[in-house]
Amino acid sequence: DGGITQSPKYLFRKEGQNVTLSCEQNLNHDAMYWYRQDPGQGLRLIYYSQIVNDFQKGDIAEGYSVSREKKESFPLTVTSAQKNPTAFYLCASTHRGQGGTEAFFGQGTRLTVV
Amino acid sequence: AQSVAQPEDQVNVAEGNPLTVKCTYSVSGNPYLFWYVQYPNRGLQFLLKYITGDNLVKGSYGFEAEFNKSQTSFHLKKPSALVSDSALYFCAVRPSGNTPLVFGKGTRLSVIA
Repeated sequence: DGGITQSPKYLFRKEGQNVTLSCEQNLNHDAMYWYRQDPGQGLRLIYYSQIVNDFQKGDIAEGYSVSREKKESFPLTVTSAQKNPTAFYLCASTHRGQGGTEAFFGQGTRLTVV
Repeated sequence: AQSVAQPEDQVNVAEGNPLTVKCTYSVSGNPYLFWYVQYPNRGLQFLLKYITGDNLVKGSYGFEAEFNKSQTSFHLKKPSALVSDSALYFCAVRPSGNTPLVFGKGTRLSVIA
């Protein structure tokens, strides 16, 4: 079945550590996105990529980094510079250039600082 | 700047009654509008979308939404609510073809038996 896979489902980070969240899709979508979800704040865009080897900052990119070396993969690294990383992280993908197409979402990764 | 407002944090409705979850948007041009549903600790599931054409859009699980250009609204509706409809609902807008979705803050729907 086609879809988006995020791993791990739960992740614990110690202070000062970098951690990487995985996002893989087999939908042949060009565009991929990372959103952060906090209670009462909806979804906020961290980074997005519309094509391999290219990505753009979203509204809250500070303390995060991404790469897009393959069409299927868009990993997100939460660096030690992100002061409040505890949140639910969602990856999504869409066909590029088709405004009316819906985004498909993964099941999310819950990151907790310990 | 484009934005989406969901004015109600929480909506409570009795099972069998009609439900409405409100959404208004602010964007230049003709927007693409979407509704998603989220169950606890899960990703977002697509419900329906408006691109163009009929103002009343039908989607999954008996939900529908009405696009009103003059009021810049896209309210989600269902004629008869089920307890299983209880979840978090997000309205989203894509201002143009290649831009990311912009989400509202979400509305928690609680359907009481």
